[in-house]
Parts: sequence; C-alpha cells; structure tokens
Amino acid sequence: QQQVKQSPQSLIVQKGGISIINCAYENTAFDYFPWYQQFPGKGPALLIAIRPDVSEKKEGRFTISFNKSAKQFSLHIMDSQPGDSATYFCAATREGTGNQFYFGTGTSLTVIP
Amino acid sequence: GAVVSQHPSWVICKSGTSVKIECRSLDFQATTMFWYRQFPKQSLMLMATSNEGSKATYEQGVEKDKFLINHASLTLSTLTVTSAHPEDSSFYICSARNREGAGNTIYFGEGSWLTVV
Repeated sequence: QQQVKQSPQSLIVQKGGISIINCAYENTAFDYFPWYQQFPGKGPALLIAIRPDVSEKKEGRFTISFNKSAKQFSLHIMDSQPGDSATYFCAATREGTGNQFYFGTGTSLTVIP
Repeated sequence: GAVVSQHPSWVICKSGTSVKIECRSLDFQATTMFWYRQFPKQSLMLMATSNEGSKATYEQGVEKDKFLINHASLTLSTLTVTSAHPEDSSFYICSARNREGAGNTIYFGEGSWLTVV
C-alpha cells in the first residue's frame, strides 16, 4: 500500500509561473513532512519540511501548505525558474531515529524559458 | 547542511563479482542509515534500514544474503552487492538520520551508479 501518494507525475510550467505539487498520506501518526529535490544522476537534497503544528511554511520561493484534516500537503514554487527543473519527492515519517521515511512517487518538473 | 558522502560514485563490475559501496556521514553521527535503490525515473525503493551496531532490517523481497549491509560505526555504513548480476545494475542511494534531537530529517548521499556487465 502506497503510504504517500503524489501528483502530478510530471509538470511543465512557464518561467515565472507557479509550480504546485500535491501529496496525500494515510497514516495519521506521521508528524514530519519533507520535500526533496533531485537532479538527474544525483541524490535527493532536502528542500523544505513541515510539521503538522503549522499550516504553512515558506522559505524563499518555496512554500509548503499543510492540511491536517485532509491529510494533504503541497509544495508551491513561486516564480519558477529553469534551474528548478528537477524531480521532486514528498515524504512522510514519524519522529524517532528508527522510523523510515515513506516517499511519494515523484514529480518531474520542467520549467520552460 | 549535513553532508553524506557516498563512494564510489559509479562502478562497473563483471557479473559474478562483489561490489562494496560506502556511505559516510561527514559532520554528524548517524544512528540510522537507509539504503535505497532507484530505477530511472522512479521513486526511491527502500532496501534496508541499518542501525549502528546491530543487524540491518531488510524490506520484503530484498535478499539479505545478496545485499550485505554493515553499519560498523556512527559514521559509516557499507552495502556489498555479492555475486552481482546485470539485473543488479541500478542507482543505489544511502541516507543518514541525524542522531541529535533536532536533526529528525535524513540526508542523502550523492548516489552510486552500479553497472554489472
């Protein structure tokens, strides 16, 4: 069973536009939700993360919106740039050193000039 | 940010031989390290969870005798692919979880491309 569902699978956005990627999770025990950015041939890099005690977190052009009741969270990339073209993964986990992270299936973002 | 180093970045080996991939946390202690496998344009597939000083916990369907994982210290975990075959060719990525309280997140290595010929 897919613990974290991610959509869309791929996304094409014009430069300067807003990119939106959505994720939904099943386990209400999850309490940490990071987003990772992966460029081809590289390992994923932490982009931004949120905990369920807040509904939104913003870091520069990246914003996470979190809806606890709907068990959904999304990544918004404002003023998208060609350099943002990458694959984005959402993830969810429970606090605690031994707990694994559950990843979404990834979204391939292409920002066209 | 925290750095996780993975070595080698890419390796080509002959079918039937064994290959070792190292994963090091450079500036923090990692009680837990994770090993993933990733096929092109797909998500990360967790292979095993490695806790320092104890045996790794393998995910269902992952052969523990084929993918040997050792987590000998708080900064080093190794994955050995034994008797490698072409179907083992893949991108292998490790991640490390910070031991300290605020470091709940995991940090990924750069990945290792394995090609078995």
